[in-house]
Amino acid sequence: AQSVTQLGSHVSVSEGALVLLRCNYSSSVPPYLFWYVQYPNQGLQLLLKYTSAATLVKGINGFEAEFKKSETSFHLTKPSAHMSDAAEYFCAVSGGGSYIPTFGRGTSLIVHP
Amino acid sequence: DADVTQTPRNRITKTGKRIMLECSQTKGHDRMYWYRQDPGLGLRLIYYSFDVKDINKGEISDGYSVSRQAQAKFSLSLESAIPNQTALYFCATGGLAGSTDTQYFGPGTRLTVL
Repeated sequence: AQSVTQLGSHVSVSEGALVLLRCNYSSSVPPYLFWYVQYPNQGLQLLLKYTSAATLVKGINGFEAEFKKSETSFHLTKPSAHMSDAAEYFCAVSGGGSYIPTFGRGTSLIVHP
Repeated sequence: DADVTQTPRNRITKTGKRIMLECSQTKGHDRMYWYRQDPGLGLRLIYYSFDVKDINKGEISDGYSVSRQAQAKFSLSLESAIPNQTALYFCATGGLAGSTDTQYFGPGTRLTVL
């Protein structure tokens, strides 16, 4: 069994501020973890993924996430928010080889000028 | 050209009508999925297929059916549409065997059932 909890359906930051989007997971097998981004009127696209290699994962557009097994977390961060980062962000977990991810409910990132 | 395409992009229909949403991919992937997105609920899996002869129900398959016409094509049907099927529908593909479960999404179909 697997599940994902994203804390906060909306996160609001000022341009240039730190972005922190929280994701906690549960999985009965070693997990693969993903962050996807959905820009308005578009499908989801992969931002970054953890697949049991390095625990600090770097993605596109300056985002990174750290896998913390002891905390069952995979939080997404970016040091300095840009207006173009405004989007919906989804965390997802899958058990290795299951090919059926479970998605969180999403967090809407709002960036103020 | 997009790797995963969906048609139509928008559709308005009436209660009781039969609707088909189509998905095509040029990525050569075996795995294909249909999801539904509702505000505040994230993505929920409707059906998935790991090859042409394999069809599996997801968590919310009631009221839906699918057809895998070829490796590249996976269609979702609503036999008799109802208003609570109003949602954004996404098709996705999965990678090759042995890959890491990454999914590749189409642009979505916005369906409104009146």
